Amino acid sequence: AQSVTQPDIHITVSEGASLELRCNYSYGATPYLFWYVQSPGQGLQLLLKYFSGDTLVQGIKGFEAEFKRSQSSFNLRKPSVHWSDAAEYFCAVGGWRDDKIIFGKGTRLHILP
Amino acid sequence: DTAVSQTPKYLVTQMGNDKSIKCEQNLGHDTMYWYKQDSKKFLKIMFSYNNKELIINETVPNRFSPKSPDKAHLNLHINSLELGDSAVYFCASSQRTSGGAKTQYFGPGTRLLVL
Repeated sequence: AQSVTQPDIHITVSEGASLELRCNYSYGATPYLFWYVQSPGQGLQLLLKYFSGDTLVQGIKGFEAEFKRSQSSFNLRKPSVHWSDAAEYFCAVGGWRDDKIIFGKGTRLHILP
Repeated sequence: DTAVSQTPKYLVTQMGNDKSIKCEQNLGHDTMYWYKQDSKKFLKIMFSYNNKELIINETVPNRFSPKSPDKAHLNLHINSLELGDSAVYFCASSQRTSGGAKTQYFGPGTRLLVL
């Protein structure tokens, strides 16, 4: 069955520190992978996506993610976080034949000043 | 210009009432979705329409009825509202083209509170 696991419910980092949010997926074919961000009281905004090609994907707001097929992972990274990055982050997976994508349960990012 | 818009943004109502939420997208997409986000932020897909045809119908109480008058609009009507229906409802759209889990673009959400 298709699934997405985000092992960390909450993560706290200091402003200016680096960030890595973990995402593991289970999918029977080549996955399409997404990271979305949800700021408080807002809708979901696409940060980046992986369909094929280069396994290191660049996104908006300075985020990047790396697809590792051998580890079934698609971790999100940012070299230096800003206070405005405090939000809920969702990883999602789908596929070529799928009409829907499956979301993880989210990771809440807190930023310390 | 707002790509995916929803109305109303907030909805407070009594148990037993009937209410509707509307969604419109101006991205030219052919597929639209309804999601429910509970208090723990878990996103659950409810329905999806492609060119006015229902293509996803998850296990949702039949008090919930979607309607898509055209591919740019998707509405959600809820009958006999219950306390457990309190949640944020998101609309999203994508371009299905020849297949694939294409990128979904989300609306700002409708915050429903049932008293």
